[in-house]
Amino acid sequence: SAVISQKPSRDICQRGTSLTIQCQVDSQVTMMFWYRQQPGQSLTLIATANQGSEATYESGFVIDKFPISRPNLTFSTLTVSNMSPEDSSIYLCSVALGQGYNEQFFGPGTRLTVL
Amino acid sequence: AQSVAQPEDQVNVAEGNPLTVKCTYSVSGNPYLFWYVQYPNRGLQFLLKYITGDNLVKGSYGFEAEFNKSQTSFHLKKPSALVSDSALYFCAVRDDYNYGQNFVFGPGTRLSVLP
Repeated sequence: SAVISQKPSRDICQRGTSLTIQCQVDSQVTMMFWYRQQPGQSLTLIATANQGSEATYESGFVIDKFPISRPNLTFSTLTVSNMSPEDSSIYLCSVALGQGYNEQFFGPGTRLTVL
Repeated sequence: AQSVAQPEDQVNVAEGNPLTVKCTYSVSGNPYLFWYVQYPNRGLQFLLKYITGDNLVKGSYGFEAEFNKSQTSFHLKKPSALVSDSALYFCAVRDDYNYGQNFVFGPGTRLSVLP
């Protein structure tokens, strides 16, 4: 398994500003993901962030809005840029481990409210 | 493309009674199936998975799930519900045909166990 922490756990931000969310893992992992969970909704994958390569974004998500860094095998950041109230969500990072990367573990999430 | 359906938004059950949370899926190849639970203000916690082998999978906290290939279902069950089981439950699928495909999550089912 993996222990994942996220900072901040929650934040309230003003429209037009940016917030960077940090994800720290207690072991070295190759595959890391960033998800968004809008209020009352399921999880939507934003991007896959593998160390040593550019992040791969899902349809509807772009690098200018959600830039991601993956400087090493234990850490990643997601920035939510030029925020609007529609960005109010829980943002979760996760890692995939095990044979075939079939074990996925999640961080506690960052609850973002944009006013 | 892979997809997951959870036909019930809400399931209510009395404490001590058996519970079932339904999940059906669609994949191109063989499915890898997962159940996660989300407690309020918490990240997702892994409950159990089906990769191959016995169709009845046992997981954490007394939960189990049965893989039914003909019905493309993976329903979550527990013989005797506890009030502490009240949470949001997500079914997820990964398609072994498209190795590298990410997890797809269902919309979630909110389970309420009444004392």
